[in-house]
Amino acid sequence: EAQVTQNPRYLITVTGKKLTVTCSQNMNHEYMSWYRQDPGLGLRQIYYSMNVEVTDKGDVPEGYKVSRKEKRNFPLILESPSPNQTSLYFCASSSQGDWTGELFFGEGSRLTVL
Amino acid sequence: LAKTTQPISMDSYEGQEVNITCSHNNIATNDYITWYQQFPSQGPRFIIQGYKTKVTNEVASLFIPADRKSSTLSLPRVSLSDTAVYYCLVVTTSGTYKYIFGTGTRLKVLA
Repeated sequence: EAQVTQNPRYLITVTGKKLTVTCSQNMNHEYMSWYRQDPGLGLRQIYYSMNVEVTDKGDVPEGYKVSRKEKRNFPLILESPSPNQTSLYFCASSSQGDWTGELFFGEGSRLTVL
Repeated sequence: LAKTTQPISMDSYEGQEVNITCSHNNIATNDYITWYQQFPSQGPRFIIQGYKTKVTNEVASLFIPADRKSSTLSLPRVSLSDTAVYYCLVVTTSGTYKYIFGTGTRLKVLA
């Protein structure tokens, strides 16, 4: 089954404790992206990657890092989480060869930073 | 990238047709208009995409006027299960694949 898998789905952590949210897709998609969703603000893009070893900042990259060492994986790293990073995070992927550019989303990871 | 503007919320009754309009004044020649649907605590899901005129699939229709500065998503005979947030995006097909979601339109379908 074609899917985007995120882990963990739920996480409560404390300020400053490094964490990684993993994202994996099995559709051989070149493009992957991370979004955060906060009430009243819609979905905001954090980082995206056009292909392996190619990443770029989205609209709200501060406090986050990403890497794209393999095509299928695109982890989101919070080196020193702060309470303002409490949010619902979504990973998404798409095929650059598909003219629709349809984005496929994971189920989301709800992060709470105390 | 063209920024989009859409109503914050809408209410409708079951069985009615719902039209959600999106404004994208700065749309470029290579841009497509795409709509996504999001249910609570789920990731958005692709509904429909178009370039101009009218596109229809099993879920919705998309109307795009000749100047392409706006688009209208039409949901025929909505049901309670259509209650969701609907996002309009302008996606460029040249170079960057930066997808910009706005705040979306929260549609509430009433019985």
